[in-house]
Amino acid sequence: EVVMTQSPLTLPVTLGQPASISCRSSQSLVFRDGDTYLNWFHQRPGQSPRRLIYKVSNRDSGVPDRFSGSGSGTDFTLKISRVEAEDVGVYYCMQATHWPHTFGQGTKVEIK
Amino acid sequence: EVQLLDSGGGLVQPGGSLSISCVVSGLTLSNYEMSWVRQAPGQGLEWLSTVSGPGTHTFYADSVRGRFTISKDNSRNTLHLRMNSLRPEDTATYYCATNLPYRENFWGQGSLVTVSS
Repeated sequence: EVVMTQSPLTLPVTLGQPASISCRSSQSLVFRDGDTYLNWFHQRPGQSPRRLIYKVSNRDSGVPDRFSGSGSGTDFTLKISRVEAEDVGVYYCMQATHWPHTFGQGTKVEIK
Repeated sequence: EVQLLDSGGGLVQPGGSLSISCVVSGLTLSNYEMSWVRQAPGQGLEWLSTVSGPGTHTFYADSVRGRFTISKDNSRNTLHLRMNSLRPEDTATYYCATNLPYRENFWGQGSLVTVSS
């Protein structure tokens, strides 16, 4: 199975400052149709996950434009341009190119 | 408004069986791939299973293949997960979700399954 490795696992951030999370896959996530099925999710304590980004860089409806996704092949990044208090929680990358689909370990974002 | 309502969780003994469901409103289930994802207490997310829009193709994680069965009733807009031979390590909150790879991804509120004697 494809192993998804996130870094860092904990990210202390300052409000108003940028933040970045890395996600690497153990094999290429390019599907035979040419698309790359790499998602980013955010989960607050006690809540269901919410997807932020699909196919590497497409923001889901209602997701603020301070969130952006980039990358290709096996290396991907989620960036928050200016962190707000509501952004705390755990972020997961997930690949849906290969079966079984797999998630990264999660990155906990906390305010300094 | 799209809503996914998970139900059917509870306490079950090791080796026992349980079925959980996800009733979907606000969209036509036959147009959506549906998945189950679980989260053990204090742990990360684990993809378990996916069924295609028409319900003709199913996929499973190794950890549940042969024990769990995913199905969908498009006429009743309901997704099911039948869980057999349950183990303590299956204790988790189980979430249903639409279209994990595509546009329009929605999640249920989660259903807690506890496997314990």
